[in-house]
Amino acid sequence: AQSVTQLGSHVSVSEGALVLLRCNYSSSVPPYLFWYVQYPNQGLQLLLKYTSAATLVKGINGFEAEFKKSETSFHLTKPSAHMSDAAEYFCAVTKGTGNQFYFGTGTSLTVIP
Amino acid sequence: NAGVTQTPKFQVLKTGQSMTLQCAQDMNHEYMSWYRQDPGMGLRLIHYSVGAGITDQGEVPNGYNVSRSTTEDFPLRLLSAAPSQTSVYFCASRKQGASDTQYFGPGTRLTVL
Repeated sequence: AQSVTQLGSHVSVSEGALVLLRCNYSSSVPPYLFWYVQYPNQGLQLLLKYTSAATLVKGINGFEAEFKKSETSFHLTKPSAHMSDAAEYFCAVTKGTGNQFYFGTGTSLTVIP
Repeated sequence: NAGVTQTPKFQVLKTGQSMTLQCAQDMNHEYMSWYRQDPGMGLRLIHYSVGAGITDQGEVPNGYNVSRSTTEDFPLRLLSAAPSQTSVYFCASRKQGASDTQYFGPGTRLTVL
């Protein structure tokens, strides 16, 4: 079975501070991993994805994530938080055909001025 | 290019009523899917389709029916609504590949009384 675990349902950072959102996955075969962002009352938007090419993946809005097979992790980082980064962030995993898609429970990011 | 559209945006039903949530995409995507989003549970896959005439179950299919008669449309039917189906529903689409980006609609907020 596949799943993703997001540690910390709520994360608060000061504006300008490092953002670190954690995601661990379980998969018996190499997965495809995704980070999505959801702003209030909107749908989900892709931030970045790992598709077995480079292990360090750069996404939109200055976010990046590193795939670490030994740690089964795909943590999302951003060097300097902006107020506009306040949103809910979801990690997701799929494999093979990609027909079954699994999301984590989400992390709500608050940015403190 | 409208992307993924969903109607209605809001709906209130009484227990036992039926309704259909509409989803359409204009990107000629083969794969379409329905998710429900509940607080603290992330998004869970209800049903998906890999092309016209082909549908299959996701993680939480009970109480929902789907069909796919065209590439563009993928309606979700609730035959007899229950309070447990109160949720926000998202439709998504992508090309066929597992690593392809899923594009999400704006969501339908459903309340079952």
